[in-house]
Amino acid sequence: NAGVMQNPRHLVRRRGQEARLRCSPMKGHSHVYWYRQLPEEGLKFMVYLQKENIIDESGMPKERFSAEFPKEGPSILRIQQVVRGDSAAYFCASSLGQTVYEQYFGPGTRLTVT
Amino acid sequence: AQKVTQAQTEISVVEKEDVTLDCVYETRDTTYYLFWYKQPPSGELVFLIRRNSFDEQNEISGRYSWNFQKSTSSFNFTITASQVVDSAVYFCALSEANFGNEKLTFGTGTRLTIIP
Repeated sequence: NAGVMQNPRHLVRRRGQEARLRCSPMKGHSHVYWYRQLPEEGLKFMVYLQKENIIDESGMPKERFSAEFPKEGPSILRIQQVVRGDSAAYFCASSLGQTVYEQYFGPGTRLTVT
Repeated sequence: AQKVTQAQTEISVVEKEDVTLDCVYETRDTTYYLFWYKQPPSGELVFLIRRNSFDEQNEISGRYSWNFQKSTSSFNFTITASQVVDSAVYFCALSEANFGNEKLTFGTGTRLTIIP
């Protein structure tokens, strides 16, 4: 009974490198959400995806950030040319669909930019 | 626009005391959902409860209870007979109930420390 899986759990990148964060939703879940938690802050919504579709990306920074949820495989959050301000915990959540509103969260990926 | 306010940044109580965490929300929608999540020191987020806007009944689950009052837009969380394992950051969150807009809006969290 696997929950939401995220990898890696910890990721260190130098400024200017790319970060790829992966999220495998719970079995049977087709809706994925990404949230970012800056140090000592609450979680902020970034993007909501269904398979092969971005439903809501209102929380995504306009540049350097992108997300996808392909037909096969995990959802990917990609950050290009990382900067120190990108250091945060990135959480993925999944749900069954719009009629069920419990979002189950993964353990998060802690990104550190040096 | 939605907003969730958790005015208590940090709370410390002695073990076995009762403690209430406050949550006040703002939304223009008549249908919405409210949530509480726990984030222990290990960092993961643990789902505690979901409540829809049409159900104002209080809920109790073991030592946990929730008081939802639409009139004051509050959804407070009480832990009875607190234990050290309750030490964590607790987040209140709000979601609209419209397709395509299920994102959670979180409060800034309350860090609860239970002193043995």
